Amino acid sequence: DAGVIQSPRHEVTEMGQEVTLRCKPISGHNSLFWYRQTMMRGLELLIYFNNNVPIDDSGMPEDRFSAKMPNASFSTLKIQPSEPRDSAVYFCASSSQAVYNEQFFGPGTRLTVL
Amino acid sequence: KNEVEQSPQNLTAQEGEFITINCSYSVGISALHWLQQHPGGGIVSLFMLSSGKKKHGRLIATINIQEKHSSLHITASHPRDSAVYICAVDYGGSQGNLIFGKGTKLSVKP
Repeated sequence: DAGVIQSPRHEVTEMGQEVTLRCKPISGHNSLFWYRQTMMRGLELLIYFNNNVPIDDSGMPEDRFSAKMPNASFSTLKIQPSEPRDSAVYFCASSSQAVYNEQFFGPGTRLTVL
Repeated sequence: KNEVEQSPQNLTAQEGEFITINCSYSVGISALHWLQQHPGGGIVSLFMLSSGKKKHGRLIATINIQEKHSSLHITASHPRDSAVYICAVDYGGSQGNLIFGKGTKLSVKP
């Protein structure tokens, strides 16, 4: 299995631009998580999906952030408009109910907003 | 407030030393995770445990539910163990909403 796949691996954009991060979970996993990691705050959960349905989006910082999971093999995290304080590494992780709550992380997307 | 505290924040050891990293949490949990983040940034799940002890090679994780405390031990440490070790707890509910500690940065010198 290829593991969790994220794209792009690096993104540099200018303030005000729309940014879309992509994630493909491990096949057969039915939960998907988006995390953000910064030096100041460490790892934080932004949102997670179970069977493609958003369960908890209380970690999404504000309305500029949105996430979708149109099917079991794809999710996006969108920031519109982006701001310099959004600069961070964004991780996607997936898990299976068959392996209770063990999460497998993607390589992350390093976002820099200038 | 559900908090996860790790200690120490930074740890430098000589190759071969026995290492202990601690994690404390504030309320009852359904599971605790230890993660390893490599210098390149990738995150790997090391252990998930809800009671007792687990061992994987030179790594041992223990948890004391009554004391709300977990430890990660590394025996015969090696420079390749240098990484950030992150404790995360699952307070239950639906499907693994993790709260993370700030991490312990370990550096093992040859």
